[in-house]
Amino acid sequence: ENVLTQSPGTLSLSPGERATLSCRASQSVSHNYLAWYQHKPGQAPRLIMYGASNRATGISDRFSGSGSGTDFTLTISRLDPEDFAVYYCHQYSSSPFTFGGGTKVEIK
Amino acid sequence: EVQLVESGGGLVQPGRSLRLSCAASGFTFDDYAMHWVRHAPGKGLEWVSGISWNSGSIDYADSVKGRFTISRDNAKKSLYLQMNSLRTEDMAFYYCVKGAGATRTLWHFDLWGRGTLVTVSS
Repeated sequence: ENVLTQSPGTLSLSPGERATLSCRASQSVSHNYLAWYQHKPGQAPRLIMYGASNRATGISDRFSGSGSGTDFTLTISRLDPEDFAVYYCHQYSSSPFTFGGGTKVEIK
Repeated sequence: EVQLVESGGGLVQPGRSLRLSCAASGFTFDDYAMHWVRHAPGKGLEWVSGISWNSGSIDYADSVKGRFTISRDNAKKSLYLQMNSLRTEDMAFYYCVKGAGATRTLWHFDLWGRGTLVTVSS
């Protein structure tokens, strides 16, 4: 299976700062079928990005995604208080679909 | 409102069975593949099973193959997960998830429920 490794595990930042989250795959993700989800405690996870760089409906343009092959990045240009959450990457190009271990973006 | 609502979780002894349900609303249920994803305490997300729009294509994670069965009733806009021979390692929040397309593969997940907790303990 395609193992996804996210780094860092925790990102401590202040509102207004830039967040850079990394997701590395053990095998190439074909067609860049890589998504990012935001998860807050007690809530349903929410789709942020798909196809590596396509923002989901209703997602702020402060969020951007990039990468291809095995290395992908989610960038939040200026952190808003509502952005503090856990973010997961997910590859859907090969079965079994897999997720990264998550990056927690916490308030510094 | 577009939403998925899971039910059926609870406390169950190892070796017993449990059936999860997911009620969909606000979208054309039979146009889309559906999945179950779980999140065990202290662990990452794990895809459990997926089913295409017409139930013609189904797959499972190796960890549940032979024990869990996914199914759907398009007339009732519902997704199910029959879980047999439960183990302590199956303990997790189980999320009902909508695929962005009709086929089980090659589509991201664009809508998640809030999850239902399954606790496996004697």
